[in-house]
Amino acid sequence: DIVVTQSPATLSLSPGDRATLSCRTSLSVTSYVAWYQQKPGQPPRLLFHDASYRATGAPARFSAGGAGTDFSLTITNLEPDDVAVYYCQVRHNLPPGATFGGGTKVEIK
Amino acid sequence: EVQLLESGGDLVQPGGSLRLSCAASGFTFSNYAMGWVRQAPGKGLEWVASIRGSGGQTYYDDSLKGRFTVSRDNSDNTLFLQMDSLTAEDTGIYYCARDGRGTVTYFDLWGRGTLVTVSS
Repeated sequence: DIVVTQSPATLSLSPGDRATLSCRTSLSVTSYVAWYQQKPGQPPRLLFHDASYRATGAPARFSAGGAGTDFSLTITNLEPDDVAVYYCQVRHNLPPGATFGGGTKVEIK
Repeated sequence: EVQLLESGGDLVQPGGSLRLSCAASGFTFSNYAMGWVRQAPGKGLEWVASIRGSGGQTYYDDSLKGRFTVSRDNSDNTLFLQMDSLTAEDTGIYYCARDGRGTVTYFDLWGRGTLVTVSS
């Protein structure tokens, strides 16, 4: 089974900082990675799909990329509204399925 | 308005069963594969099951196969999850989600979730 590892588990930064979140997979998933933002008490919200394609409404301060087994989500000019847990999700085939990473919690100092 | 609304969550005893529903509106339901994703209290997201737009094929997380059954009624724009032989480890919020493209690709629309509690 594919293993999806997100790091760090928690990121504590100041407003205006740049946050870089990592997502690594145990097997290549080509570019089948999505990123979600989940704020407290809310359902997840899609930010990116296919590694780097921005979802409708995702702020321009967010960017994503990667391929193979290494992927990243970057938040520039961090704002208090960005406080959330961020999850990556990979798609796997044979049979089709999905696996989520454990999440990275972004906090504001 | 494009939305998903889950219902059916409840307190159930270990070994019991529960059927969740998800009512879709604002989009052509039958054109989309749909899925269920759950979240245990204070934990991360876990994909549970997905079903193609036609309902012809279903997919499950290996650990759940045999206990959970996903189905849909395209005439009523509703997704279902039948859950049997429930254990405490099944406790959590169950989200209904729309597949963005194909089947089990990414989820571009989520409901607010329904809470399932398995306890005696």
